[in-house]
Amino acid sequence: LAKTTQPISMDSYEGQEVNITCSHNNIATNDYITWYQQFPSQGPRFIIQGYKTKVTNEVASLFIPADRKSSTLSLPRVSLSDTAVYYCLVGNSGYSTLTFGKGTMLLVSP
Amino acid sequence: DVKVTQSSRYLVKRTGEKVFLECVQDMDHENMFWYRQDPGLGLRLIYFSYDVKMKEKGDIPEGYSVSREKKERFSLILESASTNQTSMYLCASSTSGTGNNSPLHFGNGTRLTVT
Repeated sequence: LAKTTQPISMDSYEGQEVNITCSHNNIATNDYITWYQQFPSQGPRFIIQGYKTKVTNEVASLFIPADRKSSTLSLPRVSLSDTAVYYCLVGNSGYSTLTFGKGTMLLVSP
Repeated sequence: DVKVTQSSRYLVKRTGEKVFLECVQDMDHENMFWYRQDPGLGLRLIYFSYDVKMKEKGDIPEGYSVSREKKERFSLILESASTNQTSMYLCASSTSGTGNNSPLHFGNGTRLTVT
């Protein structure tokens, strides 16, 4: 089961781009990389998912190098409401369990 | 939108009580999960289920059991609650699939306090 390592916390200011990197050296061939966002007193919410290269949606981009041993979540022009904990998961919910790490606490200041 | 509903937002129980946490999802998902979340420890998987009447242990199953009699409902049971089971409990569901990975959809959690 691939374990993930990500920074415990990050600080940013409104309007900046934030990049959060996750290491997953033991990723398996059929594993996907998924990022979740969690606000206090709520369950985690799906942000973005990818398998390789780059994925972009309306809220974030996900960069995955060719060896897939790491991934970077990119949040463009963050706002105060992006203050949350961000979790990187590696796995496939259809075939194995998903293990959450401790996440990265992102604090966005004015 | 997928909706995962947990029956209680807050729950206070006494040590030794039997506690039931209920979770219902409305999207016909095959997979359902129970996690607990504690400060500094992140989310830890307790049990999961791939189908009705099927269950698998997660990382921390001790002191818990589960029941899945219907596809949409997954119950977490604390046979004899203890203070170290005071935590936020999160239920999630996902669909099975081949060639793709289905994201987890979470409820908003039940904050259980055992006194």
